[in-house]
Amino acid sequence: DAKTTQPTSMDCAEGRAANLPCNHSTISGNEYVYWYRQIHSQGPQYIIHGLKNNETNEMASLIITEDRKSSTLILPHATLRDTAVYYCIVRSGGSNYKLTFGKGTLLTVNP
Amino acid sequence: GAGVSQSPSNKVTEKGKDVELRCDPISGHTALYWYRQSLGQGLEFLIYFQGNSAPDKSGLPSDRFSAERTGGSVSTLTIQRTQQEDSAVYLCASSLGAGTGVVNEQFFGPGTRLTVL
Repeated sequence: DAKTTQPTSMDCAEGRAANLPCNHSTISGNEYVYWYRQIHSQGPQYIIHGLKNNETNEMASLIITEDRKSSTLILPHATLRDTAVYYCIVRSGGSNYKLTFGKGTLLTVNP
Repeated sequence: GAGVSQSPSNKVTEKGKDVELRCDPISGHTALYWYRQSLGQGLEFLIYFQGNSAPDKSGLPSDRFSAERTGGSVSTLTIQRTQQEDSAVYLCASSLGAGTGVVNEQFFGPGTRLTVL
């Protein structure tokens, strides 16, 4: 699976949009971009995934660039409960069951 | 609906003892996974069960680790003769399936925090 690069940490004010970037320049055509997050002392939580089109669900939006080499996770109105480590991963359908998280981005939402 | 549950939530044991960790997946999920996460580290895959197929044990770190899934539902991860380096949070996840070309999201339990003294 392709490697991803994320900033180590980010801050966001409560109520504002949080935009979390991820670079995946070696992504191949059949690989999906997935986002998970892990709130302190909890298990990872699935957020959203996409292949090439932008995606939106009740939690977030995923914007994937046209060349698919990077993406941005958007939390439209961040709350204090969104403080967590956010993981961007890239994986294909053939090896989809082995999730591997890197360091991720620690998002801190400030009041 | 009910999510993935794990028990116990915390386990403290002495070096050399055996421990059993339990996972109850989401009803109807055919795929079940075990991972572990050491302090400040990322996620480490351990083992994967899919339906009646032979499990993928490629992530188990040693032969002291084993897991079984009875009746296609509940799973137990057993660690024999525990060592201090086994201390970690053990996470279980389940998904609807894991067919080729289909990428299914995994739903995680809260984990079991194992401390080996």
